[in-house]
Amino acid sequence: KAGVTQTPRYLIKTRGQQVTLSCSPISGHRSVSWYQQTPGQGLQFLFEYFSETQRNKGNFPGRFSGRQFSNSRSEMNVSTLELGDSALYLCASSSRGQTSGETQYFGPGTRLLVL
Amino acid sequence: GQNIDQPTEMTATEGAIVQINCTYQTSGFNGLFWYQQHAGEAPTFLSYNVLDGLEEKGRFSSFLSRSKGYSYLLLKELQMKDSASYLCAVRDPGSGGSYIPTFGRGTSLIVHP
Repeated sequence: KAGVTQTPRYLIKTRGQQVTLSCSPISGHRSVSWYQQTPGQGLQFLFEYFSETQRNKGNFPGRFSGRQFSNSRSEMNVSTLELGDSALYLCASSSRGQTSGETQYFGPGTRLLVL
Repeated sequence: GQNIDQPTEMTATEGAIVQINCTYQTSGFNGLFWYQQHAGEAPTFLSYNVLDGLEEKGRFSSFLSRSKGYSYLLLKELQMKDSASYLCAVRDPGSGGSYIPTFGRGTSLIVHP
């Protein structure tokens, strides 16, 4: 079974631009959670999508948004990029998501650098 | 919300046992996770505790005391490949009917020969 894939793996943008990141979950998984990881703040939950619906959102500004498609693939968008958005963005998939104690499988991440 | 504390760094010797502690303060609780993350890689799931007690899985064990807001991850027979960051994460109820995980800053474990 193929693992979680994320594209692109690396990205360089400038302040004020917007960016879209993509995540393809493991086949059959309906939950996709997004995380931001930085050296200063550690790993932080952004949001979770389950069956095309956002179930929960972490403490991030409205510039961070996402969506999920009927095939469970998910995208997240960051608008009006700031230098502080430079981070590793990880997605994780599972069957039932954050309502259960099942394993979440992380993708390799997209490393975003904002200049 | 959550406040999670774990040591920043620990060192240990190959073949030894190490215990990584995690304390948390929570407004709600729905489980505690431990993840391992090697440098430059994504986290991988190690354990999940929702009830008090010890969960053993091979060389790794995880313990939870909900009344004390305390967990530990125990690694036995340490190997060099266990050098990694270990993340403690606690979930509490969100507003959307699901749960939100909050992660500690991670404990960097260095295993030396």
